[in-house]
Amino acid sequence: EPEVTQTPSHQVTQMGQEVILRCVPISNHLYFYWYRQILGQKVEFLVSFYNNEISEKSEIFDDQFSVERPDGSNFTLKIRSTKLEDSAMYFCASSNRDPSTDTQYFGPGTRLTVL
Amino acid sequence: SQELEQSPQSLIVQEGKNLTINCTSSKTLYGLYWYKQKYGEGLIFLMMLQKGGEEKSHEKITAKLDEKKQQSSLHITASQPSHAGIYLCGGSNYKLTFGKGTLLTVNP
Repeated sequence: EPEVTQTPSHQVTQMGQEVILRCVPISNHLYFYWYRQILGQKVEFLVSFYNNEISEKSEIFDDQFSVERPDGSNFTLKIRSTKLEDSAMYFCASSNRDPSTDTQYFGPGTRLTVL
Repeated sequence: SQELEQSPQSLIVQEGKNLTINCTSSKTLYGLYWYKQKYGEGLIFLMMLQKGGEEKSHEKITAKLDEKKQQSSLHITASQPSHAGIYLCGGSNYKLTFGKGTLLTVNP
């Protein structure tokens, strides 16, 4: 069964460093998303991406964040200058059609630890 | 903004018992999703409900959505240790908004 994959599973970085989190969505999906979950808190929407551009972003997704689909398979989230409060699990998700009606499938997550 | 409240926050049951988890939205939903998460892991899709009054079942799990599309319940029949985990309801309005989750423990 097709699944969303994410790498790395765990990333440790120093405050102020740049990190890139990688995702491979399900191959025929057209909509891509990033969510994050700070330990003990809700899963929160960050950004959605369709047709090579951002469709919607939350307040969390400020200028320090960017997303890219550099080729036909990868979808990346970049944090330019990490802060302690960026420590969280980051989940990538993808869906085939209109996200208001279609299921989003989640990857296993990347645990980001900022020291 | 849309808020989803789940209850209870945590639940401990004996293996074989039935249980129900509830999810209430502050707004009418386009769709309601149920996911299961093991601690520190990804979200596993369980079911999606879109129509008012809809009910879906998979194995021993049944989910219902009320007519107004603001309340949903997840019912597990004859619980097993494999059902243990965190159950999340998510409301869709393009992006997914999640509740805080219900931590289910099933004691053998």
